[in-house]
Amino acid sequence: KQEVTQIPAALSVPEGENLVLNCSFTDSAIYNLQWFRQDPGKGLTSLLLIQSSQREQTSGRLNASLDKSSGRSTLYIAASQPGDSATYLCALTGANNLFFGTGTRLTVIP
Amino acid sequence: GAVVSQHPSRVICKSGTSVKIECRSLDFQATTMFWYRQFPKQSLMLMATSNEGSKATYEQGVEKDKFLINHASLTLSTLTVTSAHPEDSSFYICSARASGVKNTQYFGPGTRLTVL
Repeated sequence: KQEVTQIPAALSVPEGENLVLNCSFTDSAIYNLQWFRQDPGKGLTSLLLIQSSQREQTSGRLNASLDKSSGRSTLYIAASQPGDSATYLCALTGANNLFFGTGTRLTVIP
Repeated sequence: GAVVSQHPSRVICKSGTSVKIECRSLDFQATTMFWYRQFPKQSLMLMATSNEGSKATYEQGVEKDKFLINHASLTLSTLTVTSAHPEDSSFYICSARASGVKNTQYFGPGTRLTVL
């Protein structure tokens, strides 16, 4: 069964700093990988989707990479802002469903 | 893009009552819908998968008689929490997979259930 781990569980950084969130998985047989953002008490906002055949995707200040051979994905956030504070979840799409990581709670300090 | 709605967004009920949550795909047909549950500070956990017109498939540990799922049409799935108890208090999120689009799920905004 796919296991998805996110490290660190929580991260605090000063505003303006660049940061990397990590996601590791055990089964490389995936269709795609997604990064989501979740604000407290809210639903999910899809940030980036990387297909299995792709290595990275970029959207604004966000860049996500995928290395299936090592079972890793990273989400890079450039020039962090207080509005980036949220929980970030990675999710892998298997044959039938998504497998979610445990999330990283990011706090950007003004 | 594809939009999924949930209703209600927040519900508070007394212990022992039943609560129904609706999940709708607004601009596409969803042959498959998924129900997730998220307890505080935890990740989302799949509860069940429902295909239109057939019985839902429940994940291990999820009581099918307690969490009734109906997927009667291609745009609507409902989750009914029967005889709710405080331990059922959670954030429930649905997602819908569009027909013909493999493995792409669109998520609803979630429903916060609080059982007193």
